Formats: sequence, structure tokens, C-alpha cells
Amino acid sequence: LAKTTQPISMDSYEGQEVNITCSHNNIATNDYITWYQQFPSQGPRFIIQGYKTKVTNEVASLFIPADRKSSTLSLPRVSLSDTAVYYCLVRSQGNLIFGKGTKLSVKP
Amino acid sequence: GAVVSQHPSRVICKSGTSVKIECRSLDFQATTMFWYRQFPKQSLMLMATSNEGSKATYEQGVEKDKFLINHASLTLSTLTVTSAHPEDSSFYICSALRQGAADTQYFGPGTRLTVL
Repeated sequence: LAKTTQPISMDSYEGQEVNITCSHNNIATNDYITWYQQFPSQGPRFIIQGYKTKVTNEVASLFIPADRKSSTLSLPRVSLSDTAVYYCLVRSQGNLIFGKGTKLSVKP
Repeated sequence: GAVVSQHPSRVICKSGTSVKIECRSLDFQATTMFWYRQFPKQSLMLMATSNEGSKATYEQGVEKDKFLINHASLTLSTLTVTSAHPEDSSFYICSALRQGAADTQYFGPGTRLTVL
């Protein structure tokens, strides 16, 4: 069964680029990797999803190496409102596995 | 993005009573929905997978007779916490699976359950 590992917390300043990496060995070969953002007392909000290489949307980029044993969420030019917990979600052997989350604190 | 609603957003009940939480996918049909619970400062824990037209699949350690799940239609799943006790107090979150090239879960806003 895959285990996911994310940094517990990260600090950043407004305007900086933030990269959060999730390590996930042994994930399903044909499943996507998904990242979510969660604010306190709210449900997770979909950010981005990818299978391999690089995916970019209007809010983030996702980098996935060829071995798919990790993925990196990249948030360009963060603002105070990006302070939240970020989770990776993968599937392994039919089981959905959420990472423990990375608490990002953005300071002015 | 897809929209998933939950009702109620917050509920307080007495010990021994039952509470029903509704989860609706508003702009897409969802054959599969999921129910999670989340304790403070912890990650989401999958409780069960709700399948339209069939029985739910429960994760190990989750009592199916205590957490009743009904997936009545392609847009509605309900979770009933029966005979609730204070230790059932938690944040319950549902998600609906939108199937496509990449199956994607979209989450509801969550329901805060407090059992007195």
C-alpha cells in the first residue's frame, strides 16, 4: 500500500513561489495525482490534477517525474489568502490515500 | 469546477439521537460518492464509498450499522449517524466523483456534528 509523505508545514512571504512535494511510492500506474486546498472548517477545494510530466492551470502547476513516486505542487506568487492546508491524493491498490497535509503560512 | 453541496452545515444533537447528512452533486451525476470524517488538525479519513444502486463499501473499523449510507439517486447520497455519542462529534465531508478521462473528486463544504 502506498504511503504519502508531505512536509507538515511551510512558511512563505507574499509574492514568492511555493513548491510543495508529496512523495508517494507504489501508486496505481493508471491513476491521476490530485491536489486539494483546504481552509479551516471547509471542504477541500480541487486545485490541480495530473498523470505525468507537467500540468498547469490558472492557479498552479503540477510537476510529476517519470517514475511518478512524487509530485510537486507549485503555487506562483502566493498571497495571504493562500494560507491553507494542501493535500495530495493518490490511489494505491484500489485505496484512496490522502496525504497528511502541508500547512502553508503566507506572511506579508 | 463541479459543485457539491452538503446539508446541514452544522448540527448539534443530544446523545442517542440520529442525524442525517445530505450530499448533493449539483451540476453533474455521480455514480460514486465518498464520505470522510476529519478530526481537528488531522487529514481526512475515508469512512465509506457510496455507490448508486448498490450497498456502500465501508473502510475497516467503520461500523456500517452506525453510519448508514444511502445513495438514492445519481445526485444524492445521505449519511445517517445513528444513536450518536459525543465521540461521533467531528467534521463530516462528502465528495462526489466526476468520471471522465481523469476521475476527480469534488468535495462538499462539510458538516460539523456536535453531540452533547
